[in-house]
Amino acid sequence: GNSVTQMEGPVTLSEEAFLTINCTYTATGYPSLFWYVQYPGEGLQLLLKATKADDKGSNKGFEATYRKETTSFHLEKGSVQVSDSAVYFCALLMFSGGYNKLIFGAGTRLAVHP
Amino acid sequence: NAGVMQNPRHLVRRRGQEARLRCSPMKGHSHVYWYRQLPEEGLKFMVYLQKENIIDESGMPKERFSAEFPKEGPSILRIQQVVRGDSAAYFCASSPKIDSYEQYFGPGTRLTVT
Repeated sequence: GNSVTQMEGPVTLSEEAFLTINCTYTATGYPSLFWYVQYPGEGLQLLLKATKADDKGSNKGFEATYRKETTSFHLEKGSVQVSDSAVYFCALLMFSGGYNKLIFGAGTRLAVHP
Repeated sequence: NAGVMQNPRHLVRRRGQEARLRCSPMKGHSHVYWYRQLPEEGLKFMVYLQKENIIDESGMPKERFSAEFPKEGPSILRIQQVVRGDSAAYFCASSPKIDSYEQYFGPGTRLTVT
Protein backbone atom coordinates (compact mmCIF):
# COMPACT_ATOMS: atom_id res chain seq x y z
CA GLY A 1 0.00 0.00 0.00
CA ASN A 2 0.90 3.68 -0.04
CA SER A 3 2.65 5.08 3.02
CA VAL A 4 4.96 7.81 4.27
CA THR A 5 7.70 7.42 6.89
CA GLN A 6 9.29 10.40 8.62
CA MET A 7 12.13 10.63 11.07
CA GLU A 8 10.96 10.72 14.63
CA GLY A 9 11.15 13.88 16.62
CA PRO A 10 11.49 16.00 18.43
CA VAL A 11 14.31 17.69 16.59
CA THR A 12 15.93 20.37 18.73
CA LEU A 13 18.23 22.92 17.12
CA SER A 14 19.83 26.22 17.93
CA GLU A 15 18.96 29.25 15.83
CA GLU A 16 20.88 29.40 12.51
CA ALA A 17 21.58 25.66 12.54
CA PHE A 18 21.08 23.47 9.46
CA LEU A 19 17.90 21.43 9.35
CA THR A 20 17.19 18.08 7.72
CA ILE A 21 13.99 16.13 8.27
CA ASN A 22 13.99 12.80 6.47
CA CYS A 23 10.96 11.50 4.59
CA THR A 24 10.63 8.33 2.53
CA TYR A 25 7.58 6.96 0.82
CA THR A 26 6.10 3.80 -0.61
CA ALA A 27 3.67 4.19 -3.46
CA THR A 28 2.29 2.42 -6.48
CA GLY A 29 2.48 4.77 -9.42
CA TYR A 30 3.83 8.30 -9.39
CA PRO A 31 2.63 10.40 -6.48
CA SER A 32 3.03 14.09 -5.88
CA LEU A 33 4.88 14.92 -2.67
CA PHE A 34 4.24 17.64 -0.13
CA TRP A 35 5.51 19.14 3.09
CA TYR A 36 2.92 20.71 5.38
CA VAL A 37 3.65 22.73 8.53
CA GLN A 38 1.46 22.96 11.62
CA TYR A 39 2.12 25.81 14.03
CA PRO A 40 0.88 25.42 17.62
CA GLY A 41 -2.92 25.48 17.83
CA GLU A 42 -3.38 25.88 14.09
CA GLY A 43 -4.28 23.79 11.07
CA LEU A 44 -1.93 22.58 8.37
CA GLN A 45 -0.40 24.93 5.86
CA LEU A 46 1.19 23.79 2.64
CA LEU A 47 4.92 24.54 2.80
CA LEU A 48 6.13 23.17 -0.53
CA LYS A 49 5.41 20.54 -3.13
CA ALA A 50 6.93 18.58 -6.02
CA THR A 51 4.86 16.81 -8.62
CA LYS A 52 7.42 14.69 -10.48
CA ALA A 53 10.85 13.10 -10.10
CA ASP A 54 13.80 15.50 -9.70
CA ASP A 55 11.51 18.47 -9.06
CA LYS A 56 12.63 20.72 -6.22
CA GLY A 57 10.02 22.42 -4.10
CA SER A 58 11.04 25.53 -2.18
CA ASN A 59 9.42 28.13 0.05
CA LYS A 60 10.53 30.41 2.92
CA GLY A 61 14.08 29.04 2.77
CA PHE A 62 12.94 25.41 2.94
CA GLU A 63 13.73 22.99 0.11
CA ALA A 64 12.97 19.38 -0.77
CA THR A 65 13.86 17.37 -3.87
CA TYR A 66 11.72 14.53 -5.21
CA ARG A 67 14.15 11.57 -5.47
CA LYS A 68 12.50 8.67 -7.23
CA GLU A 69 15.57 6.40 -7.03
CA THR A 70 15.63 6.59 -3.23
CA THR A 71 11.87 7.23 -2.82
CA SER A 72 12.70 10.22 -0.64
CA PHE A 73 11.64 13.84 -0.16
CA HIS A 74 13.84 15.17 2.63
CA LEU A 75 13.16 18.67 3.96
CA GLU A 76 16.13 21.02 4.42
CA LYS A 77 16.78 24.56 5.54
CA GLY A 78 20.16 26.19 5.77
CA SER A 79 19.53 28.41 8.79
CA VAL A 80 16.52 27.86 11.04
CA GLN A 81 14.81 30.53 13.12
CA VAL A 82 12.86 30.32 16.36
CA SER A 83 9.73 31.05 14.33
CA ASP A 84 10.25 27.76 12.43
CA SER A 85 9.31 25.82 15.55
CA ALA A 86 6.34 23.69 14.49
CA VAL A 87 5.35 20.18 13.46
CA TYR A 88 6.26 19.22 9.89
CA PHE A 89 4.32 16.61 7.94
CA CYS A 90 5.44 14.86 4.79
CA ALA A 91 2.59 13.67 2.57
CA LEU A 92 1.97 12.01 -0.75
CA LEU A 93 -0.96 12.55 -3.09
CA MET A 94 -2.23 9.66 -5.13
CA PHE A 95 -5.04 9.54 -7.63
CA SER A 96 -6.98 6.59 -6.29
CA GLY A 97 -10.63 5.63 -6.49
CA GLY A 98 -11.38 8.50 -8.84
CA TYR A 99 -9.93 11.34 -6.80
CA ASN A 100 -6.72 12.67 -5.23
CA LYS A 101 -6.06 11.20 -1.77
CA LEU A 102 -3.51 12.62 0.70
CA ILE A 103 -1.53 10.23 2.90
CA PHE A 104 0.46 11.75 5.76
CA GLY A 105 3.50 10.76 7.73
CA ALA A 106 3.37 10.88 11.51
CA GLY A 107 4.92 14.34 11.71
CA THR A 108 8.22 15.62 13.11
CA ARG A 109 8.24 18.24 15.82
CA LEU A 110 10.96 20.90 15.46
CA ALA A 111 11.99 23.10 18.36
CA VAL A 112 14.43 25.94 17.66
CA HIS A 113 16.09 27.69 20.58
CA PRO A 114 17.69 31.15 20.53
CA ASN B 1 -11.59 35.29 0.56
CA ALA B 2 -12.02 33.57 3.89
CA GLY B 3 -10.24 30.30 4.46
CA VAL B 4 -11.73 27.05 5.64
CA MET B 5 -13.73 27.62 8.82
CA GLN B 6 -14.31 25.07 11.52
CA ASN B 7 -16.34 25.36 14.68
CA PRO B 8 -16.23 24.94 17.47
CA ARG B 9 -12.46 25.14 17.92
CA HIS B 10 -12.67 23.26 21.20
CA LEU B 11 -15.41 20.86 22.26
CA VAL B 12 -15.73 18.99 25.54
CA ARG B 13 -18.19 16.12 25.79
CA ARG B 14 -18.91 13.53 28.44
CA ARG B 15 -18.87 9.87 27.49
CA GLY B 16 -22.12 8.92 25.79
CA GLN B 17 -22.94 12.39 24.49
CA GLU B 18 -23.02 13.45 20.86
CA ALA B 19 -20.43 15.66 19.17
CA ARG B 20 -21.17 17.76 16.09
CA LEU B 21 -18.27 19.31 14.24
CA ARG B 22 -18.83 21.87 11.48
CA CYS B 23 -16.75 22.78 8.48
CA SER B 24 -17.37 25.58 6.01
CA PRO B 25 -15.17 25.18 2.93
CA MET B 26 -13.52 28.01 1.08
CA LYS B 27 -15.79 29.95 -1.23
CA GLY B 28 -16.21 28.11 -4.50
CA HIS B 29 -14.99 24.79 -3.10
CA SER B 30 -17.40 21.88 -3.34
CA HIS B 31 -15.10 19.09 -2.12
CA VAL B 32 -14.56 18.45 1.59
CA TYR B 33 -12.27 16.00 3.37
CA TRP B 34 -12.24 15.12 7.07
CA TYR B 35 -9.12 13.92 8.90
CA ARG B 36 -8.48 12.84 12.47
CA GLN B 37 -5.24 13.51 14.32
CA LEU B 38 -4.65 11.47 17.45
CA PRO B 39 -2.10 12.84 19.95
CA GLU B 40 1.45 12.68 18.59
CA GLU B 41 0.28 11.09 15.34
CA GLY B 42 -0.23 12.21 11.78
CA LEU B 43 -3.51 12.92 10.11
CA LYS B 44 -5.63 9.98 9.09
CA PHE B 45 -8.18 10.28 6.30
CA MET B 46 -11.77 9.72 7.38
CA VAL B 47 -14.17 10.74 4.64
CA TYR B 48 -14.42 12.64 1.36
CA LEU B 49 -17.64 14.40 0.41
CA GLN B 50 -18.98 16.45 -2.43
CA LYS B 51 -22.19 18.44 -2.15
CA GLU B 52 -24.93 15.99 -1.11
CA ASN B 53 -22.73 12.96 -1.78
CA ILE B 54 -20.35 10.80 0.21
CA ILE B 55 -17.61 9.76 -2.21
CA ASP B 56 -15.25 7.79 0.04
CA GLU B 57 -15.86 6.92 3.68
CA SER B 58 -13.27 4.18 3.91
CA GLY B 59 -11.52 5.85 6.84
CA MET B 60 -14.63 6.29 8.98
CA PRO B 61 -15.30 3.93 11.88
CA LYS B 62 -18.31 1.87 10.93
CA GLU B 63 -20.30 2.72 14.03
CA ARG B 64 -21.19 6.01 15.72
CA PHE B 65 -19.56 8.23 13.05
CA SER B 66 -21.38 9.90 10.17
CA ALA B 67 -20.76 12.83 7.86
CA GLU B 68 -22.80 14.96 5.54
CA PHE B 69 -22.33 17.91 3.21
CA PRO B 70 -25.76 19.31 2.35
CA LYS B 71 -26.60 21.49 -0.61
CA GLU B 72 -26.74 24.50 1.68
CA GLY B 73 -24.68 25.00 4.81
CA PRO B 74 -21.53 23.50 6.26
CA SER B 75 -20.30 19.94 6.26
CA ILE B 76 -21.04 18.15 9.54
CA LEU B 77 -19.08 15.35 11.18
CA ARG B 78 -21.25 13.70 13.80
CA ILE B 79 -20.01 11.36 16.51
CA GLN B 80 -22.69 9.63 18.56
CA GLN B 81 -22.14 8.20 22.05
CA VAL B 82 -18.59 9.49 22.27
CA VAL B 83 -15.92 7.49 24.08
CA ARG B 84 -12.54 8.61 25.47
CA GLY B 85 -10.77 7.20 22.42
CA ASP B 86 -12.57 9.74 20.25
CA SER B 87 -10.53 12.53 21.86
CA ALA B 88 -8.51 13.99 19.01
CA ALA B 89 -8.15 16.94 16.68
CA TYR B 90 -10.47 16.79 13.70
CA PHE B 91 -9.46 18.73 10.63
CA CYS B 92 -11.35 19.41 7.49
CA ALA B 93 -9.93 20.48 4.18
CA SER B 94 -11.51 21.68 0.97
CA SER B 95 -10.59 21.80 -2.69
CA PRO B 96 -12.21 23.36 -5.74
CA LYS B 97 -12.28 20.29 -7.96
CA ILE B 98 -11.81 16.55 -7.89
CA ASP B 99 -8.29 16.49 -9.33
CA SER B 100 -6.88 19.43 -7.38
CA TYR B 101 -3.33 19.02 -6.11
CA GLU B 102 -3.90 21.13 -3.06
CA GLN B 103 -6.25 20.78 -0.14
CA TYR B 104 -6.78 23.82 2.08
CA PHE B 105 -7.03 23.00 5.77
CA GLY B 106 -9.11 24.53 8.50
CA PRO B 107 -7.79 25.23 12.03
CA GLY B 108 -9.34 22.06 13.42
CA THR B 109 -11.71 21.15 16.24
CA ARG B 110 -10.12 19.68 19.34
CA LEU B 111 -12.53 17.22 20.91
CA THR B 112 -12.01 16.16 24.50
CA VAL B 113 -14.14 13.38 25.95
CA THR B 114 -14.25 13.27 29.73
